[in-house]
Amino acid sequence: DADVTQTPRNRITKTGKRIMLECSQTKGHDRMYWYRQDPGLGLRLIYYSFDVKDINKGEISDGYSVSRQAQAKFSLSLESAIPNQTALYFCATSQTGALVDEQFFGPGTRLTVL
Amino acid sequence: ELKVEQNPLFLSMQEGKNYTIYCNYSTTSDRLYWYRQDPGKSLESLFVLLSNGAVKQEGRLMASLDTKARLSTLHITAAVHDLSATYFCAVDALSNFGNEKLTFGTGTRLTIIP
Repeated sequence: DADVTQTPRNRITKTGKRIMLECSQTKGHDRMYWYRQDPGLGLRLIYYSFDVKDINKGEISDGYSVSRQAQAKFSLSLESAIPNQTALYFCATSQTGALVDEQFFGPGTRLTVL
Repeated sequence: ELKVEQNPLFLSMQEGKNYTIYCNYSTTSDRLYWYRQDPGKSLESLFVLLSNGAVKQEGRLMASLDTKARLSTLHITAAVHDLSATYFCAVDALSNFGNEKLTFGTGTRLTIIP
């Protein structure tokens, strides 16, 4: 079984709709991240959380919100989706106190906003 | 703000040839990561470089880090088709909020031609 899972894997929605992307992990890590990937732009950090009570904005948080429901679950919401939020979204995890901040990625969610 | 630049962005190589991908970054850091992404797939960790002069090798790939020059290289030796993928470097640095986070380069799409 995968250590970091994302649901849904693919989603097509319409402009103005609210949508939630979910991430779960069984690695026991305390840090979780949401990134978006656009062609030619690499990965950009949307939000990150270092524990259940900690939420931090990344470089492109506008238009997004997150919820850390438990150590193992981190959800990303688009309150009112717009076409330029069409992208590939990745969740990642890492462990505080580890020698390195090596991040482990989920399989991704491909989101299309029409 | 930390900038991470990779070059080239696109690289077509013939099988059997050698080449190097470069990753430059703009702030002090002694932790750098290389990831591989196959088309439509997630990111897979390749190398973790923790100090100046660090060198890691796995098969036909070798990564090095020069923290004084703020430069990491990923060298490909005698390329084979299986190495076709997009390669990302990521630098571990303090965010504006004092938390550590990864900043990714834009990626190098490598295509190995028979």
